Amino acid sequence: DGGITQSPKYLFRKEGQNVTLSCEQNLNHDAMYWYRQDPGQGLRLIYYSQIVNDFQKGDIAEGYSVSREKKESFPLTVTSAQKNPTAFYLCASSISGGHYGYTFGSGTRLTVV
Amino acid sequence: AQTVTQSQPEMSVQEAETVTLSCTYDTSESDYYLFWYKQPPSRQMILVIRQEAYKQQNATENRFSVNFQKAAKSFSLKISDSQLGDAAMYFCAYRIRGSTLGRLYFGRGTQLTVWP
Repeated sequence: DGGITQSPKYLFRKEGQNVTLSCEQNLNHDAMYWYRQDPGQGLRLIYYSQIVNDFQKGDIAEGYSVSREKKESFPLTVTSAQKNPTAFYLCASSISGGHYGYTFGSGTRLTVV
Repeated sequence: AQTVTQSQPEMSVQEAETVTLSCTYDTSESDYYLFWYKQPPSRQMILVIRQEAYKQQNATENRFSVNFQKAAKSFSLKISDSQLGDAAMYFCAYRIRGSTLGRLYFGRGTQLTVWP
């Protein structure tokens, strides 16, 4: 079955360390997105990519980086520059234009210890 | 700026009753899509219903229906015959039609509790 896989489900990071969250889809979707979810804040866009080797900053890109070397994969790196990284991270994908909304992964809960 | 407002952080309903969740949005565009997503305790986001702004007829999916008022920029979700499994966070979202960017703008969510 087609879908989006995020891994790991839970991730713990020490302060000052970079950490990479994985997102893989086999839906043949062109567009992929990373959102951050905090209580009472809804979903805030970090980065998005419409095609391979191209991506754009969202509303809260500072302290994050991404790559899009393959259509299926859109990993997110949370760098040490991100001051408050503890959050729930959601990856999503859509057909070009997103007319039918997104398909979401199951999320990664990142905790800084 | 594109904004989506959900004015009810929390709502509750008795099982088998009907509840309406509110959503308003701000845009200068005339053609767009609107969505309601459900996020149960598992935190998996699930698309509940979709509305195309150029269609006047309100979308319906089984017990879920919307009241789309384009002039008022309002897009409320009605859940009929509420079930315990409807308990979740509900997000309203908006997307401009024709935009190559494809991004959705989300509200902050409404937490729905269903009482037995």
